Amino acid sequence: DVKVTQSSRYLVKRTGEKVFLECVQDMDHENMFWYRQDPGLGLRLIYFSYDVKMKEKGDIPEGYSVSREKKERFSLILESASTNQTSMYLCASSGHLSFSYEQYFGPGTRLTVT
Amino acid sequence: AQSVAQPEDQVNVAEGNPLTVKCTYSVSGNPYLFWYVQYPNRGLQFLLKYITGDNLVKGSYGFEAEFNKSQTSFHLKKPSALVSDSALYFCAVRDDPGGYQKVTFGTGTKLQVIP
Repeated sequence: DVKVTQSSRYLVKRTGEKVFLECVQDMDHENMFWYRQDPGLGLRLIYFSYDVKMKEKGDIPEGYSVSREKKERFSLILESASTNQTSMYLCASSGHLSFSYEQYFGPGTRLTVT
Repeated sequence: AQSVAQPEDQVNVAEGNPLTVKCTYSVSGNPYLFWYVQYPNRGLQFLLKYITGDNLVKGSYGFEAEFNKSQTSFHLKKPSALVSDSALYFCAVRDDPGGYQKVTFGTGTKLQVIP
């Protein structure tokens, strides 16, 4: 059974802290994604990666960075957390680049920045 | 640029009645279209997709969707709604020549099935 796991379900951080969100997939997928989900705005793509050490900016990359050192792991980093980064963060993965495979999502991390 | 619109924030339907959740899209090439469902406090789950072929696509949990190229729509349907279908539904689109697998999601439609 396919599985995408995220390191935390709930996280509370203070303004200015550096925050790491981890995502691991066990499907040997090439592509991995980070989204944030906000009411009324749907899912917005922050960053995605199509291979190890490769990354592409999504629609809202400001204030975020990512790291993909191993194929199965994709990390989202908030360099200096701010209150407007309070949100639900969803990680996803999908298969081969040439085909439009569906994305598999993790359970999400609800981040609160105070 | 690709985009997708879900015109209804919420849809209410009585249990046992047919349901429709609307989605329209805009792409420059051929669309790849998806529906996902999110149950409370859960991540998104894939329901169905249209890539090519038959315009009527069948998916999980008895859902189906109809691709209509002339109306640029991909509405989600189910003949008989269940209370357990109550959830948040997202339509998503990828433009065929769009390069890496960047997918654009709609804002979501909350489906409420009333017993």
